[in-house]
Amino acid sequence: NAGVMQNPRHLVRRRGQEARLRCSPMKGHSHVYWYRQLPEEGLKFMVYLQKENIIDESGMPKERFSAEFPKEGPSILRIQQVVRGDSAAYFCASSSRDGSSYEQYFGPGTRLTVT
Amino acid sequence: DAKTTQPPSMDCAEGRAANLPCNHSTISGNEYVYWYRQIHSQGPQYIIHGLKNNETNEMASLIITEDRKSSTLILPHATLRDTAVYYCIVRGIIQGAQKLVFGQGTRLTINP
Repeated sequence: NAGVMQNPRHLVRRRGQEARLRCSPMKGHSHVYWYRQLPEEGLKFMVYLQKENIIDESGMPKERFSAEFPKEGPSILRIQQVVRGDSAAYFCASSSRDGSSYEQYFGPGTRLTVT
Repeated sequence: DAKTTQPPSMDCAEGRAANLPCNHSTISGNEYVYWYRQIHSQGPQYIIHGLKNNETNEMASLIITEDRKSSTLILPHATLRDTAVYYCIVRGIIQGAQKLVFGQGTRLTINP
């Protein structure tokens, strides 16, 4: 049973370009979470999505960042007009159900470097 | 979500039990205690969670005090591959409050 898949694993973008990060949850999981880890810092929640719905986006920057989880296909975290401060590791996690007792399983992350 | 307090770092000898403490004195009755770890820039790995009873799985044991204000994660026979940052997270069961709030964790180093 494959775990959470993220691609690309490494992404280099120039300032002003767009970055698209993809996350395929574990089989049977319909809840997806995105977290960001800046260099030498802890993990910070960004957004929580269920199929076709954003449930909690309290950690998303107000501008340039968006996320979706369509009915078919992976979840996408999109960063428009990237800046150097967006350089970080972006982790996706998935869970099978709502409710605090259901653990989240993380993918290997996408390391974004903005030059 | 309740705040947790963990020592910033710990050392343990290979083959010995590693006991990682966590204080969560403001935990409420409907909040679980979760443990995750992150091995050098990899994605966090779920270890174990519990509400009020002690729990054990193939990775670790979780001991929660009777008043639930603190807990201890036990790795019974630590190996070099257990070197990682360990996060203790308290999380409620309120609908929609699903995010994990990571603190600074404990950097555990297993020494040969």
